[in-house]
Order: sequence, then structure tokens, then C-alpha cells
Amino acid sequence: SQQGEEDPQALSIQEGENATMNCSYKTSINNLQWYRQNSGRGLVHLILIRSNEREKHSGRLRVTLDTSKKSSSLLITASRAADTASYFCATAQVYSGAGSYQLTFGKGTKLSVIP
Amino acid sequence: DAGVTQSPTHLIKTRGQQVTLRCSPKSGHDTVSWYQQALGQGPQFIFQYYEEEERQRGNFPDRFSGHQFPNYSSELNVNALLLGDSALYLCASSLGLAKNIQYFGAGTRLSVL
Repeated sequence: SQQGEEDPQALSIQEGENATMNCSYKTSINNLQWYRQNSGRGLVHLILIRSNEREKHSGRLRVTLDTSKKSSSLLITASRAADTASYFCATAQVYSGAGSYQLTFGKGTKLSVIP
Repeated sequence: DAGVTQSPTHLIKTRGQQVTLRCSPKSGHDTVSWYQQALGQGPQFIFQYYEEEERQRGNFPDRFSGHQFPNYSSELNVNALLLGDSALYLCASSLGLAKNIQYFGAGTRLSVL
């Protein structure tokens, strides 16, 4: 089952504009991660934010996390045509008994950046 | 430094057949997770292997089974294929159970006719 739900499902912007994607989830988490996927290929890890963090930056990426609202947002600034891809949030639940964890992905936001 | 490699890239099978997908983890990684991604959906967790044992399992029937070898590589087996098993199968590796960043392979696209 999908835990995270991204919003919007699709986003089209002009090159140079900022892109914001939102993610909501249902259960408590250890951390939340954002991944990028180009054309049905493998996923690339972008950024991880832990449940005790509120904001994190990496290059042109800014991620926020609000655990009280069970939501996160990913901001890509100064977008480029090469940013065109699908973006997924994934929540990590750690099972302390088994010493393992599970990533649960949302359905993704399809971002199109028009040159 | 080799990343996660999966084989084959594409596969076509018919209903009722069995399939085996293979994954070699990133160098130095010892944990392998498998995901199924249907068209237009996010990846869904199938199971995770560490120390040659299945550590966690998602909501998938017993037709889906796996194995991890001493060199940390892994196989995903699916028996009695259904049309609904058509999907991109992704393998991800990580170092240890406590590390949460997973590195994904390019996937195997399985078509069941």
C-alpha cells in the first residue's frame, strides 16, 4: 500500500522557475526521503530528512518536514530542463525488533520543465 | 565503483510461467531490497534480505520469493505469473540495516502476456 501521497500529480513549469511538490503520509516515521526517477528507470536518492529535523538543504533542493501535519515539501529552485522527471517521497519505518526498515513510496509527481 | 546492477533488462513471459530476476548490490553493500513498480505508480516494497535471510516482507503473496547469496547478490523469483505481475522490478542495496539511504538499479521490466 502507498503511504505517501504526492501533490500535485503533475507539474509543468518554465525553466528558471521554482517547483514545489508536497507529500503527505499516514503513520509515524523514522525519516522521509525524496527520490527522482527518469523515464521509468532506477530511482536516484535526492535528500533524507529525519523525523526530528524541520528543514534541510542540498544544492538547489530544499525539503521541509512537519511531523504534526504528517507532511513534507520539496522545493527545486531555478529549475532546468534536466530536472524533468518523476519525484517520489518515501517514508522509512524502522522495525526495531527485526532490526530492519521499510521504505514506503507515494505515487509521485511528474515534473516537466519547459526550456 | 560499480553501482547496483540488475539482469535481465527486459523480459517477456506468459501467464503461469516462472521468472528469476537477479541483482548485484553496490560494492560494499550487504543489504538488498526488492520493489515492484506498476506503470504510473510508486515502487511497492516486496522484501528485504540481510545476512542471507529475509528480514522484512511487504504485502505480496508467497508466489514471490527471494534469496541472497554469500556474496550479497540476490534473486527474486515469481511463480505462476499473472498478467498483473507486469511491472518494473527494482533492486536497491544499502549498507547494513541501520542505514536508510538505498541505491537503486535500473530495474528489470517484466511483461506477462
